[in-house]
Amino acid sequence: DADVTQTPRNRITKTGKRIMLECSQTKGHDRMYWYRQDPGLGLRLIYYSFDVKDINKGEISDGYSVSRQAQAKFSLSLESAIPNQTALYFCATSDSSGRRGRDIQYFGAGTRLSVL
Amino acid sequence: SQQGEEDPQALSIQEGENATMNCSYKTSINNLQWYRQNSGRGLVHLILIRSNEREKHSGRLRVTLDTSKKSSSLLITASRAADTASYFCATTTGANSKLTFGKGITLSVRP
Repeated sequence: DADVTQTPRNRITKTGKRIMLECSQTKGHDRMYWYRQDPGLGLRLIYYSFDVKDINKGEISDGYSVSRQAQAKFSLSLESAIPNQTALYFCATSDSSGRRGRDIQYFGAGTRLSVL
Repeated sequence: SQQGEEDPQALSIQEGENATMNCSYKTSINNLQWYRQNSGRGLVHLILIRSNEREKHSGRLRVTLDTSKKSSSLLITASRAADTASYFCATTTGANSKLTFGKGITLSVRP
């Protein structure tokens, strides 16, 4: 969905480096999410934010941090990357107002991260 | 932990055939959704069925929900090669509307 933009699309980094993945959206949605996808494991929730002042840990938050800089921007940081954080990362948004289904999420194209 | 478990893990059919994918879940839900993912791309929402609904249709898609068995099925009729993708079921529970995804089903539609 072009309304949810993730940068970079691909990133290779080394163990121990700090890295930030960015997500911006033009959908005007209040809720934003970060997931990681590993082969055979589906998507797992890392962090989610229901508004600018609301940040919550998901299922697998250890080793990650997030920042909700504005309603439209939600970034994910790996403070000290390790090889098992190699994965495909997705940002998603949803609209709590219920106009088109409050629980439907809209995904970015993903960031493929490799930690060597 | 995965709430939804899809079955089968992989499905290969001929173009024009129907594809049926199943999802089972463990706890009471608010709604169940199906998403599609083309290789290496983001997920796209297909259809949502609420816990008080039993069946919904959208184009060639038909989804059913059996809350007594904690299961759902997604039927794609008259499949096309372009339907080749991974399909995920996802559930919401409780008040915060977080989605919990299954591991996905890989569908291959042979031309």
